[in-house]
Amino acid sequence: DTAVSQTPKYLVTQMGNDKSIKCEQNLGHDTMYWYKQDSKKFLKIMFSYNNKELIINETVPNRFSPKSPDKAHLNLHINSLELGDSAVYFCASSQNPATDTQYFGPGTRLTVL
Amino acid sequence: RKEVEQDPGPFNVPEGATVAFNCTYSNSASQSFFWYRQDCRKEPKLLMSVYSSGNEDGRFTAQLNRASQYISLLIRDSKLSDSATYLCVVSTNYQLIWGAGTKLIIKP
Repeated sequence: DTAVSQTPKYLVTQMGNDKSIKCEQNLGHDTMYWYKQDSKKFLKIMFSYNNKELIINETVPNRFSPKSPDKAHLNLHINSLELGDSAVYFCASSQNPATDTQYFGPGTRLTVL
Repeated sequence: RKEVEQDPGPFNVPEGATVAFNCTYSNSASQSFFWYRQDCRKEPKLLMSVYSSGNEDGRFTAQLNRASQYISLLIRDSKLSDSATYLCVVSTNYQLIWGAGTKLIIKP
């Protein structure tokens, strides 16, 4: 029944490691997103993606890369993790990018030691 | 100037009171407007969209002032369960811009 799901819910890892977070939506939406929410609670969009276009927030380091095996999945790969990457990462989806409700996953709390 | 600005609060309000939040946006070409709610350690969820004519959903009223470029959210008869962070979201050039959120604490 879960509309947008993410795994894992918690991720603790060492600096320099490479990790992935998975996201799946069963709403049939065309657009998926990744957001980062840091300790100050500010929600920043990292990527938006549909089957035609990837829009990248220019402030996102290229160590972060989204990968979409199909329309229902948008995974986030992070290379060479840094302390500043510690945050909560939310996946979301919507039918239309800017006019429709965004449905969020429960978040993945990443801690880099 | 930030694209979307909100008073971060926290607003400490007694139960039953009326509370209002404002949110200002910088781009006059912005097309769509929303209020989301985020509970502590949870994901954001849509509270309501904001229409030009203003709209109401139970105890919640949202209004848009295009001339002054702000949107507002009014909560009447506040409940303890209204305690959360309220996020203003503005769609500009088909991209969503999120405010930093206003934290609301309802006290018994």
